[in-house]
Amino acid sequence: EDKVVQSPLSLVVHEGDTVTLNCSYEVTNFRSLLWYKQEKKAPTFLFMLTSSGIEKKSGRLSSILDKKELSSILNITATQTGDSAIYLCAVVNYNAGNMLTFGGGTRLMVKP
Amino acid sequence: NAGVMQNPRHLVRRRGQEARLRCSPMKGHSHVYWYRQLPEEGLKFMVYLQKENIIDESGMPKERFSAEFPKEGPSILRIQQVVRGDSAAYFCASSNRDNTDTQYFGPGTRLTVL
Repeated sequence: EDKVVQSPLSLVVHEGDTVTLNCSYEVTNFRSLLWYKQEKKAPTFLFMLTSSGIEKKSGRLSSILDKKELSSILNITATQTGDSAIYLCAVVNYNAGNMLTFGGGTRLMVKP
Repeated sequence: NAGVMQNPRHLVRRRGQEARLRCSPMKGHSHVYWYRQLPEEGLKFMVYLQKENIIDESGMPKERFSAEFPKEGPSILRIQQVVRGDSAAYFCASSNRDNTDTQYFGPGTRLTVL
C-alpha cells in the first residue's frame, strides 16, 4: 500500500520567517507528487512535481523533488499570516490509476 | 466562477436517510474524483468517473455508497441509509484528460448524520 508521511505535524512561526515542510513517500511505481494548501475549504493546488532536482516556484513558495530520497520539500519564505493553513502532499502511482494518495498534512500557523 | 462546484455545502441527515451530494467539474474537465475526509484524518480516494463510466471505485465502501456522472448534469455521490460514521467532508475534484494528475478540488460538502 502506498504511504505518504509529512513532517512536522504542526508548526508555529512568526511573520517573516522561512519554513520548510517535508513529505516522504513509499510508492511502488511513482508517477508524480503534488502539493496543496487547505484552508477552511477546498484544497488549492500549488505544485506538481515529476522530475528530481527541478525546482518549481510561485512567488514565495517553492518545491523540489528528490526521487533518490523519496521525498519532497515545500519552502515558504517571508511568511505571512495568510500562509496559515494545512499543507497537503499527495502522490500518484502508475499502478493505481489516477488516485491521489494523501499524507496527513502539516498545520502551519503564522503569528503576526 | 469556473472552478469545481459542489452542493450543498452543508447537509444534515438523520440515521437511515439518504444523502445526495452533487459536483459540477471545472469547465473543460471530463474526469471527476470523489474523496472523503473523516474527522482528524487525511483525504481518502473513493471513486473516479468519466462521463457515463465508473473508471475506478476501489475506495468506495461496498454497501450503501454509489456514484454516477451522467451524460448531462453533475456527478452525484449517493449514500443510502446513512450512519453516524458517514459524517465527514466529501470533496470532489476534476481534471482534464491531458493531465489527470493535477486535480482541482471543490469546496466540499460537510455531511453531518444525527
